[in-house]
Amino acid sequence: SQTIHQWPATLVQPVGSPLSLECTVEGTSNPNLYWYRQAAGRGLQLLFYSVGIGQISSEVPQNLSASRPQDRQFILSSKKLLLSDSGFYLCAWSVSQYEQYFGPGTRLTVT
Amino acid sequence: TQLLEQSPQFLSIQEGENLTVYCNSSSVFSSLQWYRQEPGEGPVLLVTVVTGGEVKKLKRLTFQFGDARKDSSLHITAAQTGDTGLYLCAGHSTSYGKLTFGQGTILTVHP
Repeated sequence: SQTIHQWPATLVQPVGSPLSLECTVEGTSNPNLYWYRQAAGRGLQLLFYSVGIGQISSEVPQNLSASRPQDRQFILSSKKLLLSDSGFYLCAWSVSQYEQYFGPGTRLTVT
Repeated sequence: TQLLEQSPQFLSIQEGENLTVYCNSSSVFSSLQWYRQEPGEGPVLLVTVVTGGEVKKLKRLTFQFGDARKDSSLHITAAQTGDTGLYLCAGHSTSYGKLTFGQGTILTVHP
């Protein structure tokens, strides 16, 4: 069966510090991978998605970047965090057009 | 831009009551998913509907996809405290290629 991992689970970082969040998927090959941000426990905003190694599409201009160094690894980064980067970050994978499966999320607080 | 409007945004009911959550759009979707999310966790896929007029049942939950594939509803019969959570609808369209999420409905079921 497929599983998706995210770490860390929680993170508190000062403004201006770098960020690296990691997501890995097990039990499937060549998945589509997604990074979302969720504010205040409501709707999800798509940040990046990837259909293959090294292929990244950005949905919104922002202070963040993403990379996919391996087939089942997706990394979300920032060189300098802003207060507005605080939120709940979710990674998801899919192999079909329809259904996405989410990881447990990372709660980021920028102070 | 594709939008999915969920209503109501908040729902507070007593255990045993019935409820319906709506998801509406002016756009046509090839499929629609419903997710349930608990605080601090990632969304969990409940169901996918792909055919206009389709009805799916999952125990006490009934999901319906509108005939025109622009709207959907989730009906819960005899709600239980364990149904408490954030319910999200998400639509997929071939032209957009990614999921569009509604803003969610926060359901609280009181004992």
